[in-house]
Amino acid sequence: DGGITQSPKYLFRKEGQNVTLSCEQNLNHDAMYWYRQDPGQGLRLIYYSQIVNDFQKGDIAEGYSVSREKKESFPLTVTSAQKNPTAFYLCASNQGTTNEKLFFGSGTQLSVL
Amino acid sequence: QKEVEQNSGPLSVPEGAIASLNCTYSDRVSQSFFWYRQYSGKSPELIMSIYSNGDKEDGRFTAQLNKASQYVSLLIRDSQPSDSATYLCAVNKAGGGNKLTFGTGTQLKVEL
Repeated sequence: DGGITQSPKYLFRKEGQNVTLSCEQNLNHDAMYWYRQDPGQGLRLIYYSQIVNDFQKGDIAEGYSVSREKKESFPLTVTSAQKNPTAFYLCASNQGTTNEKLFFGSGTQLSVL
Repeated sequence: QKEVEQNSGPLSVPEGAIASLNCTYSDRVSQSFFWYRQYSGKSPELIMSIYSNGDKEDGRFTAQLNKASQYVSLLIRDSQPSDSATYLCAVNKAGGGNKLTFGTGTQLKVEL
């Protein structure tokens, strides 16, 4: 089945530790996105990539990093510089054309130990 | 002013009633509008998309868009308990690289 796979479902981070969230899609989509959702809040854009080997900062990129070495993969690293990382992280993709909907993965809940 | 605003709710309606969810946006050049439903702990799923002024109906759902007043709404007819969820309004800004900006969502509770 085509879709977006995020792993792990739950992740715990220790102080000063970097952690990486995985996102893989087999929809042949060009564009991929990372959103963060805090309790009772909407989705805020962290980073997005419209093509392999290129990505742009979203509204809340500080403390995060990404890479896009393959079309199918867009991993997100939450660095130690992100002081409040506890949130629900959602990866999404689409073809990147105008007016197109987003397809979402099932999300990763990140918590701080 | 937030780019996309929604009343956080909760909005409570009895089973079988019409639920009306509203969303306003600040950027006049916004060109596409989406309603997503999100159950607790799950990812959003697309309910409706609308691109031009007027109404768009799909089953029990109707999306309404008024670009002059900068609002978009979602009507849910014959509300069911399974409709209880948070509804997110999302807007695509022209020239925004196809990024969606989301509102904070409205929690809907359909009561028996």
